[in-house]
Amino acid sequence: NAGVTQTPKFQVLKTGQSMTLQCAQDMNHEYMSWYRQDPGMGLRLIHYSVGAGITDQGEVPNGYNVSRSTTEDFPLRLLSAAPSQTSVYFCASSYSSRGRDTEAFFGQGTRLTVV
Amino acid sequence: GDSVTQMEGPVTLSEEAFLTINCTYTATGYPSLFWYVQYPGEGLQLLLKATKADDKGSNKGFEATYRKETTSFHLEKGSVQVSDSAVYFCALTERTSGNTPLVFGKGTRLSVIA
Repeated sequence: NAGVTQTPKFQVLKTGQSMTLQCAQDMNHEYMSWYRQDPGMGLRLIHYSVGAGITDQGEVPNGYNVSRSTTEDFPLRLLSAAPSQTSVYFCASSYSSRGRDTEAFFGQGTRLTVV
Repeated sequence: GDSVTQMEGPVTLSEEAFLTINCTYTATGYPSLFWYVQYPGEGLQLLLKATKADDKGSNKGFEATYRKETTSFHLEKGSVQVSDSAVYFCALTERTSGNTPLVFGKGTRLSVIA
């Protein structure tokens, strides 16, 4: 059982480049989300999805796009990378709260550096 | 909106010392409360949780009690080990209005020295 898988683990981008961070889960979770972790800031929510075809913005969505075409996958796209997007990115998944455990499972993270 | 406030770190303790990491929250409904732990170079993993007032979550010697009257969920351990060195995050999610994203505190780094 793989859980939540993020790729790549490390990435260096030049300012203005675009890329997609991949996230896949094999637990049939409805709920998936992306966070960024910065020193002294904790984890801040970028985007989330409550099911296939449904996405919504979190606290810091600017510069990022998401889509959810399947239950398993929730990719995060950086449209035009900026140094301010240098961070560690975490994907998480969980069941919805409809009578089920809401524990979130996290991927190992993607460390992104924008130069 | 909902928020979580936890004590600033870093916290440095000697092995076998008592640990308390304070966490208070603000929520409009009836949240579920969590403590997550992040070991160096890894993602977050659930340490313990409580879903209603007066529930006590426990795991690996850690405990936290959901106190609605003080809106708190403090993490405690009676005797810490070097292997407990990690960053600890308090978090909540609302259950009353359907599923909501986890809201995290800023994290508290714990270092335990032998």
